[in-house]
Amino acid sequence: QVQLVQSGAEVKKTGASVKVSCKVSGYTFSNDGISWVRQAPGQGLEWMGWISAYNGNTHYAENFQDRVTMTTDTSTSTAYMELRSLRSDDTAFYYCARDHGVLYWGQGTLVTVSS
Amino acid sequence: DIQMTQSPSSLSASVGDRVTITCRASQSISTYLNWYQQNPGKAPKLLIYGASSLQSGVPSRFSGSGSGTDFTLTISSLQPEDFATYFCQQSYSTPRTFGQGTKVEIK
Repeated sequence: QVQLVQSGAEVKKTGASVKVSCKVSGYTFSNDGISWVRQAPGQGLEWMGWISAYNGNTHYAENFQDRVTMTTDTSTSTAYMELRSLRSDDTAFYYCARDHGVLYWGQGTLVTVSS
Repeated sequence: DIQMTQSPSSLSASVGDRVTITCRASQSISTYLNWYQQNPGKAPKLLIYGASSLQSGVPSRFSGSGSGTDFTLTISSLQPEDFATYFCQQSYSTPRTFGQGTKVEIK
């Protein structure tokens, strides 16, 4: 079955960077894109951007385009999301999702940012 | 960007109640509308895709309807495991956008 397994929780200092991984299985990685979505504690869902696993094309949300980089490694069927210049309000669960229009979600990675 | 407006933001209901949640898009999205259920500390789970198609394994008490700009999610008879937060999401275009969520609580 389709599985997206994300890397473990991270604790970062303000101003640092974080890189979250998302290893997929159960489908042909290059057939669909990967969206990244975050959810701050007690808040709603915020789409961060999308990457094509076929050719690496990206579309970043305006709120993140200066600070985020999304990449893929087709040899390992893994997607990555790096967020730079972390602030305290970046504390959130970060989810990868197979984007077939419909989203199929990873389990989430908690990123905690503190000074 | 397409804005998704979901209502209500929360509701209280009893086991066995019929519950309806609405989602409105800021422009027509045909039937490119999906519904998810999220329990605390868990990832969202797909319930309905294409506005009205039930995801495999999802109980038939869940149903979706609508097209264009107005959509509804209905739970025909609320069960204890249905107390959760529900989100709509448009897949018509990027950026993907979500409703703000509806928390269904026990009355």
